[in-house]
Amino acid sequence: DIVMTQTPLSLSVTPGQPASISCKSSQSLLHSEGRTYLYWYVQRPGQPPQLLIYEVSNRFSGVPDRFSGSGSGTDFTLKISRVEAEDVGIYYCMQSKHLPTFGQGTKVEIK
Amino acid sequence: QVQLVESGGGVVQPGRSLRLSCAASGFTFSRNAMHWVRQAPGKGLEWVAVISCDGNNKYYADSMKGRFTVSRDNSKNTVFLQMNNLTVEDTAVYYCARGMGCYSWAFDYWGQGNQVTVSS
Repeated sequence: DIVMTQTPLSLSVTPGQPASISCKSSQSLLHSEGRTYLYWYVQRPGQPPQLLIYEVSNRFSGVPDRFSGSGSGTDFTLKISRVEAEDVGIYYCMQSKHLPTFGQGTKVEIK
Repeated sequence: QVQLVESGGGVVQPGRSLRLSCAASGFTFSRNAMHWVRQAPGKGLEWVAVISCDGNNKYYADSMKGRFTVSRDNSKNTVFLQMNNLTVEDTAVYYCARGMGCYSWAFDYWGQGNQVTVSS
């Protein structure tokens, strides 16, 4: 299995300030077909997870542009340019190069 | 819009079985793989199983292999998860999620989830 490791596991951010979450995979997520299968989801309190970013850097439908994803190979980052109150939740990275596996989750709270 | 509604959860004794259903609407069901993902109380997300759009390909997480069976009925826009020989470690909220293509191992839309509690 591909192991996904997120850091930090928790983050307290002042509204309007940026936030960044790192995700590292135990092997490269670059597929032979040229695509990199790294995804970001957020689970807001009491809600099911929602897709934010697919294939490293593509924002899903309706996702605000303050969310961005970057990275390659085994190292990936989710950035929130200016955190808002509604961004509270747990953020998960996930790989689907092989059978899906998730990171442990990063809890984002507002200061 | 895409809607996924799970049902069939509840409280069951260890060793017993349960069958979850997920009714889909708002998209052409037969074009998308369907996944099951679970979340134990206070824990993170754990992928369970996937079935391809045509039902011909099925994959399972190692800990569920041999106990869980995923199936689908494209005429009824429904995916199922048959869970046998349940243990207390299977207690979780079970989500169905839509694959991002016929054979995709990633998913975009999720249902609201269905609680399964295994307890004597």
